[in-house]
Amino acid sequence: QSVLTQPPSVSGAPGQRVTISCTGSSSNIGAGYDVHWYQQLPGTAPKLLIYGNSNRPSGVPDRFSGSKSGTSASLAITGLQAEDEADYYCQSYDTSRWVFGGGTKLTVL
Amino acid sequence: EVQLVESGGGLVKPGGSLRLSCAASGFTFSSYSMNWVRQAPGKGLEWVSSISSSSTYIYYADSVKGRFTNSRDNAKNSLFLQMNSLRAEDTAVYYCAGRTSGQNWFDPWGQGTLVTVSS
Repeated sequence: QSVLTQPPSVSGAPGQRVTISCTGSSSNIGAGYDVHWYQQLPGTAPKLLIYGNSNRPSGVPDRFSGSKSGTSASLAITGLQAEDEADYYCQSYDTSRWVFGGGTKLTVL
Repeated sequence: EVQLVESGGGLVKPGGSLRLSCAASGFTFSSYSMNWVRQAPGKGLEWVSSISSSSTYIYYADSVKGRFTNSRDNAKNSLFLQMNSLRAEDTAVYYCAGRTSGQNWFDPWGQGTLVTVSS
């Protein structure tokens, strides 16, 4: 059971917008700790997608955006493309440990 | 080019030991906190351990505390994970990942090394 809760799967057609939620608690996201997002393409290592709730590392398209409110956070992907099909994980910090969501599989229809 | 390369994975019997290594290049290794994150087959990511830049602070997930030891050699730009008393549930791909000191996100990541615990 993951500390952060994500939906197991989401899907969308090319060009559409999808969102992935990440729900925590008062000891992690609600305590003010930032949320970060990772993209894991099939058979590869995770890659940092969003850091500090809403910041994109160099090279990440602006189709990807993040937000945080209260004990939850969201990742939004606009203009969905076939190459966005991957697993997405949220991550935060919680009392001397780093915690992940269970991951969300994005399917591009 | 920033790079992390893990090695040392393999097949080990329950109760056995294994030592993973992670070689860093292309960034100032000694300024980064370093971490191990694992992923069981078909499952999500699980943080395993974190070691601060000067090894002053070392943290472990409850699932590995007392069995795994995280260490580093800044002179050799290397990170290590000594895994003892291995269990079937430790079977996973183990990634090393950097974390800018004072920040809580992981970047960069290595390509991972597979550890299989089975008789």
